[in-house]
Amino acid sequence: EAGVVQSPRYKIIEKKQPVAFWCNPISGHNTLYWYRQNLGQGPELLIRYENEEAVDDSQLPKDRFSAERLKGVDSTLKIQPAELGDSAVYLCASTIRQGKNIQYFGAGTRLSVL
Amino acid sequence: QQPVQSPQAVILREGEDAVINCSSSKALYSVHWYRQKHGEAPVFLMILLKGGEQKGHEKISASFNEKKQQSSLYLTASQLSYSGTYFCGTAESQGGSEKLVFGKGTKLTVNP
Repeated sequence: EAGVVQSPRYKIIEKKQPVAFWCNPISGHNTLYWYRQNLGQGPELLIRYENEEAVDDSQLPKDRFSAERLKGVDSTLKIQPAELGDSAVYLCASTIRQGKNIQYFGAGTRLSVL
Repeated sequence: QQPVQSPQAVILREGEDAVINCSSSKALYSVHWYRQKHGEAPVFLMILLKGGEQKGHEKISASFNEKKQQSSLYLTASQLSYSGTYFCGTAESQGGSEKLVFGKGTKLTVNP
């Protein structure tokens, strides 16, 4: 079974530029999460989707961050414009809604904003 | 509320034991343990549920004290492959996809 796939693995941009991250969850997983992980910290939730609906986006900085999950499968997280403080690893995870909430993570996208 | 993990870091020699603690100020329904190696995805180790018993995975086991809102991860006879950062994630309710709040992690280094 394929795991959670994220791309790109690394991204280097200059501040004020836009950037987008892509996530393909495990097949059949209807819940999808985007996390941000700063250096030396645990993952922090940005947004949670149930199918195509964003059910928890309270921690998403909506002035510059946006996300979508069309058709309830793949998801894209966008930052526009990026700031220096956005440098972090962006992790995607998925799970089955009726399960024990065991979240399976992708390898993440490491973003460096210069 | 972010759970507090201790210690922040631990260094072992192969074969030694370690305990990693995770403490919350809120009543918990479940505690999840993950291990993350540098540059890789966090990998699920085990889940402890309210009312559940101690769980085990190879030589790694964990307990959950609901009354104290604490969980401990036990690593016995450590192997080089156990090196990495261990995170606990806590959930306050039973929902199948409820939000997990992760601690800051405990970095474990196992040396030969």
